[in-house]
Amino acid sequence: DIQMTQSPSSMSASLGDRVTITCQASQDIGNNLIWFQQKPGKSPRRMIYYATNLANGVPSRFSGSRSGSDYSLTIISLESEDMADYHCLQYKQYPLTFGSGTKLEIK
Amino acid sequence: QIQLVQSGPELKKPGESVKISCKASGYTFTDYAMHWVKQAPGKGLKWMGWINTYTGKPTYADDFKGRFVFSLEASASTANLQISNLKNEDTATYFCARGAVAYWGQGTLVTVSS
Repeated sequence: DIQMTQSPSSMSASLGDRVTITCQASQDIGNNLIWFQQKPGKSPRRMIYYATNLANGVPSRFSGSRSGSDYSLTIISLESEDMADYHCLQYKQYPLTFGSGTKLEIK
Repeated sequence: QIQLVQSGPELKKPGESVKISCKASGYTFTDYAMHWVKQAPGKGLKWMGWINTYTGKPTYADDFKGRFVFSLEASASTANLQISNLKNEDTATYFCARGAVAYWGQGTLVTVSS
């Protein structure tokens, strides 16, 4: 199975900060990675697909990038509504595997 | 618009069974797979497997082989998840998600407690 190592597990940042969350894949997954945002009591919302593509309706302050086996989700200017859990998911092969999640809090 | 509407919360005792439904609307049901995802309280997401909504063939992740069954009522555009012989560790929110996981149900909380 492909392991997705996500970091950090939690972080606190101030409004307007640049925030980066990372997932490292244990095997080659190409660009087959999705980033989700999940708010308390809600379903995950797809933010980025195919590693770098912004999903419909997602603010442009979110972006996804890849460097080798490292995948990043960046928020260039943090807003209060961005407080949430973030998860990565690889869909290169079955079983699909998620990262362990990042809890993002606002200072 | 595309919607996945899941059945309501369940409270069950250990050893009982539960069936969760996921009714799809706004698209052709058999055009997309349906995935199932588990989220234990305060934990991350875990992929359980998927069902081919055209053929009805299910595929289970290793941790979900045996007590878990994916099924369809295709005429009703509904996918079902049945869990038998419930254990305390099955307490979780279960989500259905359409193939490409762009659309998710609202989740169904299953609580297993004696």
